[in-house]
Amino acid sequence: GQQVMQIPQYQHVQEGEDFTTYCNSSTTLSNIQWYKQRPGGHPVFLIQLVKSGEVKKQKRLTFQFGEAKKNSSLHITATQTTDVGTYFCAKGTGANNLFFGTGTRLTVIP
Amino acid sequence: SQTIHQWPATLVQPVGSPLSLECTVEGTSNPNLYWYRQAAGRGLQLLFYSVGIGQISSEVPQNLSASRPQDRQFILSSKKLLLSDSGFYLCAWRQVRGNTIYFGEGSWLTVV
Repeated sequence: GQQVMQIPQYQHVQEGEDFTTYCNSSTTLSNIQWYKQRPGGHPVFLIQLVKSGEVKKQKRLTFQFGEAKKNSSLHITATQTTDVGTYFCAKGTGANNLFFGTGTRLTVIP
Repeated sequence: SQTIHQWPATLVQPVGSPLSLECTVEGTSNPNLYWYRQAAGRGLQLLFYSVGIGQISSEVPQNLSASRPQDRQFILSSKKLLLSDSGFYLCAWRQVRGNTIYFGEGSWLTVV
């Protein structure tokens, strides 16, 4: 199918703990994007990865694209309550569409 | 700068009633336009996309339809709503040669 699988579906962490969500595809991806959706809000673009093995950082967030370009991960160091939300990966298709992963809902316990 | 507007923000509709959600984009021309649906606590499902006026592609069979009467206007409709149509509907746009999708604020639909 067009979707990508994300794990875990839910994650509860204590504030200050690290968090990682994984995105897996059965097919090779041309690129992978990550979005964050705050509770009650709409998804907001975080980053795009294109190159095999690419690693990008945004403050406490580290994004990684697998060597085979079939998986990706988002790692948050020392979570804060502002990190609460659902994190989606999304893959592009040749038809200019974007298919989203199933999402990982992060809860941060203060 | 580009902006996207979507309305209404919330609505409660009885089963069998019609639906019309409207979305407009400002500050860009000939964008790709999308309608996504998100059931409560679930992921994002692509419903329709459009690459130009009058050009609509459907990703899933359903009782919903979409139209693009103007370059920056995208409308989601239904003649008769089902209970299963309840959810959070998101309009989105992307530049033709861009990769990032920008979402509207969303519309919460509850079918009762």
